[in-house]
Amino acid sequence: DQQVKQNSPSLSVQEGRISILNCDYTNSMFDYFLWYKKYPAEGPTFLISISSIKDKNEDGRFTVFLNKSAKHLSLHIVPSQPGDSAVYFCAAEQGAQKLVFGQGTRLTINP
Amino acid sequence: GAGVSQSPSNKVTEKGKDVELRCDPISGHTALYWYRQSLGQGLEFLIYFQGNSAPDKSGLPSDRFSAERTGGSVSTLTIQRTQQEDSAVYLCASSLRGVNTGELFFGEGSRLTVL
Repeated sequence: DQQVKQNSPSLSVQEGRISILNCDYTNSMFDYFLWYKKYPAEGPTFLISISSIKDKNEDGRFTVFLNKSAKHLSLHIVPSQPGDSAVYFCAAEQGAQKLVFGQGTRLTINP
Repeated sequence: GAGVSQSPSNKVTEKGKDVELRCDPISGHTALYWYRQSLGQGLEFLIYFQGNSAPDKSGLPSDRFSAERTGGSVSTLTIQRTQQEDSAVYLCASSLRGVNTGELFFGEGSRLTVL
């Protein structure tokens, strides 16, 4: 039972354009959502988060949007840069001290 | 070092053998997590420690898997009688206050290949 789903395994975007990564979840009890970024041969690193009481959180080039009615969140990166090429994981937390991760989306930024 | 350290970085073993994976968390971090990532899959939660106790072992796939943490620091994940489906990257993470703030710091992982 995949509670957090990232349906796009890969995404290719031109440098300077907007990258939009999507994530869907099934458990309405999730109260906190996070995005992690992972480079090859490295562990994931925290990128940005959003509480379920908000619908948007912005940090520089990164913005996360949450649509609770649709159980959907998205990560927007604008403008996209070559260093953004990585695998992005969506994660959700239910207050149980553990994160449930999606399968990841590999983002490639083309020069 | 300042980050989460895992060893070995790579382990190739034969089916049926036991393996031990080690995690050295960031000093002072009370929470420690084990996840694994199988090929093409997301990160799968295995177990969580708060101090030396494990309040949540719900993710351990079978009784062949066990983990311990001593002195509130180093943790060892043991897989007995390894099977080919155990092949994955095993990731350890530590946190000072828990997951709510996103402050989960991951190590580089231990890649396990079971032949």
